[in-house]
This record gives sequence, structure tokens and C-alpha cells, in this order.
Amino acid sequence: NAGVTQTPKFQVLKTGQSMTLQCAQDMNHNSMYWYRQDPGMGLRLIYYSASEGTTDKGEVPNGYNVSRLNKREFSLRLESAAPSQTSVYFCASSPRSTEAFFGQGTRLTVV
Amino acid sequence: RKEVEQDPGPFNVPEGATVAFNCTYSNSASQSFFWYRQDCRKEPKLLMSVYSSGNEDGRFTAQLNRASQYISLLIRDSKLSDSATYLCARSSNTGKLIFGQGTTLQVKP
Repeated sequence: NAGVTQTPKFQVLKTGQSMTLQCAQDMNHNSMYWYRQDPGMGLRLIYYSASEGTTDKGEVPNGYNVSRLNKREFSLRLESAAPSQTSVYFCASSPRSTEAFFGQGTRLTVV
Repeated sequence: RKEVEQDPGPFNVPEGATVAFNCTYSNSASQSFFWYRQDCRKEPKLLMSVYSSGNEDGRFTAQLNRASQYISLLIRDSKLSDSATYLCARSSNTGKLIFGQGTTLQVKP
């Protein structure tokens, strides 16, 4: 079972570069989420999509954009990467306000 | 103030000890509550959902107190393998899922 798949697993960017983190789930879940995790900060919600066609800001949306391409895919875009965006990024999905399943994470370093 | 707050610890306990974590939340519209476990450099995984009536799964017991806006996790007879970070989370009826900063548990022999 694939579950939630994130790509890439590791990435190094230079300041000012752009990139898109991809996330896909094969569990037919309605809700999808993007989090970042920094030491001592837990998981902070960047954006979420409660259903196909909708997206909403989370706790720390600045510097990011998202696209809910279809029910399976939810991408996160950094238009102009900054060192403050160095983090581990997790994508997750859930049926609706219930258990969330996570991808394995993307370790992003911005130099 | 964060919507969900936890004491980050670390909690250092000997094997066999009982340990309890609390988590407070500030949004009274919160609908569902969860405890997740996260091992080092891994993704979080659901440990248990938290129900108003309280629920138990083996050595783990979760409680919800809506009046005081906190949830708790009790681990009895701690094992070395329980060493991890425990994250509480709450979801709202809009689908927003917010996590606390996590509590680190280290069980020592």
C-alpha cells in the first residue's frame, strides 16, 4: 500500500530559487495537509485542503502556495526560497476530521 | 498563543514507570482529538483517538476534558520502546488539523 507519497525526499536550494513539493495519496481521502517541522516547534500547518477544489491557510502560510490538482494530489510551491524555509515538510491526508496519514517527509535545505 | 500547547519535556523515566502528558487547546470549536507518536526522523503515526468518555488501548489511556480544554495521555509500565515524541492534535469542523509542539519521552533501563 503506497498511502501518502511525497517527492522529493531531499532537496538543496539556493536562496531565491523556486521549487514544488509533490504529494499524492491513494486512499480516496477528502482532506490533505502540508506541515513544516522545525526543532522544538512541532508540526505547523502551512495550508490545508478540506476537499477537492478548496484550499485554506494554516498557521504559517507566508512564502508558500498550494494547488489541489485533483482529489489525489496536493502540491506545495516555494516561489522564492529563503533560508528560513529550511525545514522538514510533511504532507498528510485524512478522510475528514479523523486520523491523518503522513508521507515520509521532504528534507529541504535553503542555502 | 498557540492553539494547541504541550510541555516539550524531555520526560526521562525509568522502565516500568507511569508517565502522563497533558495538552491544552484554545479553540472551543475543536471537534476531534488525537495522540500521535513520532520516532526520530520519521513521520508521525496515530497512537490513538481521544473520546469524551476516555479510551484505553493496552498500556495507554487517553482522556478528554472539554470543560477545562485539555487532553491527556497516560502510559503505564513504560518500555524502552516507548521512547519517542508524542504529539497531540485537534481537528475542527472546517477540516483544520493542528498539532502541539510535541513532548519527548525517554525511557531508561
